[in-house]
Amino acid sequence: NAGVTQTPKFRILKIGQSMTLQCTQDMNHNYMYWYRQDPGMGLKLIYYSVGAGITDKGEVPNGYNVSRSTTEDFPLRLELAAPSQTSVYFCASSYEDREAQYFGPGTRLLVL
Amino acid sequence: GENVEQHPSTLSVQEGDSAVIKCTYSDSASNYFPWYKQELGKGPQLIIDIRSNVGEKKDQRIAVTLNKTAKHFSLHITETQPEDSAVYFCAASNGRVGAQKLVFGQGTRLTINP
Repeated sequence: NAGVTQTPKFRILKIGQSMTLQCTQDMNHNYMYWYRQDPGMGLKLIYYSVGAGITDKGEVPNGYNVSRSTTEDFPLRLELAAPSQTSVYFCASSYEDREAQYFGPGTRLLVL
Repeated sequence: GENVEQHPSTLSVQEGDSAVIKCTYSDSASNYFPWYKQELGKGPQLIIDIRSNVGEKKDQRIAVTLNKTAKHFSLHITETQPEDSAVYFCAASNGRVGAQKLVFGQGTRLTINP
């Protein structure tokens, strides 16, 4: 199993551009999550999904959108990139509620 | 909502010594407390977790203790080795209906000096 994979690894965006961060897991996990990690800080939850077709906001959802059309994929969309969205983004998944979350390697995003 | 405070922010110990990282949480309903290790350029990796019905859990050189009354939990690493150098994060979750929403501490950068 590859676990949780994320693409791209690194991206530079100009202010106002849009992009989609990809996340795929091959563990048949029901739950998937997107976090952002700012320098020297812990992780903050952006959005999460409890299954295909079901998503909900986390702590810092503004400026982002998600969709969950399949169990495996959970893309994160940035519509109008802003410098405040410069961060490292991590996708995670877990089999069930109240179970361990497994993280991907992250996507480093720089908005200039 | 839940708030997790983690101390210290940096910790330097000699190889072979023990390291202790402490976290406090605010929501008395929190019942799941994982610890993650993050190496440079990688995603966080779960190293140990504990649930509120247990006071202590060990896995080889790593142990976690939980004091529900005081609302704090700690990570203990014994016989530290250079490969233990990393950033460690604690987290807490109340596991209410829906997805388990983890709230993370700010992280501790642990350096093991040879």
